[in-house]
Amino acid sequence: DTAVSQTPKYLVTQMGNDKSIKCEQNLGHDTMYWYKQDSKKFLKIMFSYNNKELIINETVPNRFSPKSPDKAHLNLHINSLELGDSAVYFCASSLGTSGYEQYFGPGTRLTVT
Amino acid sequence: RKEVEQDPGPFNVPEGATVAFNCTYSNSASQSFFWYRQDCRKEPKLLMSVYSSGNEDGRFTAQLNRASQYISLLIRDSKLSDSATYLCVVTGAAGNKLTFGGGTRVLVKP
Repeated sequence: DTAVSQTPKYLVTQMGNDKSIKCEQNLGHDTMYWYKQDSKKFLKIMFSYNNKELIINETVPNRFSPKSPDKAHLNLHINSLELGDSAVYFCASSLGTSGYEQYFGPGTRLTVT
Repeated sequence: RKEVEQDPGPFNVPEGATVAFNCTYSNSASQSFFWYRQDCRKEPKLLMSVYSSGNEDGRFTAQLNRASQYISLLIRDSKLSDSATYLCVVTGAAGNKLTFGGGTRVLVKP
């Protein structure tokens, strides 16, 4: 059974388009995250939700909008895609908000042309 | 200064040898420390947590030095399968946000 799953795995799209990435976890965790890993391999947190409530919102353009319909799902919608948005986006989940191991999804490789 | 800094490597290690590398962090109030492992084009996975007293898991030993603000990872008897990028991860004072280092790449060769 996949613990944290993301769809799609690959996404190639043109500048200016709007796209969504979906994430689901079946671990019963309360907290979910979105990370961006750029070409230099730095992994940076974007957002975190705890029980559907936004608790971390890093300095991210407001073209990025997360949505958590329930605590098992955290989606990421990106408007007006730019070349610089090309990266691997990882979803993760953890039991709680403080000091817990995070389990990562397989990543979504986004390429904006 | 970056919040979490690592030597990017690569560390080229003969099979069976020992390799060790450090990670420094800037926030003295950091609460929790971890080593994650990331294989090429895969997601990061927890390798081990790092406790104040140091801890060992098989061939892997992690140490924390709060005074000098660094953590270390030592791999003994390196296997080819240990080739990966090792990510140092530190939480903030509230413990709710993980900050990742850029990773140290290890290549174990026959």
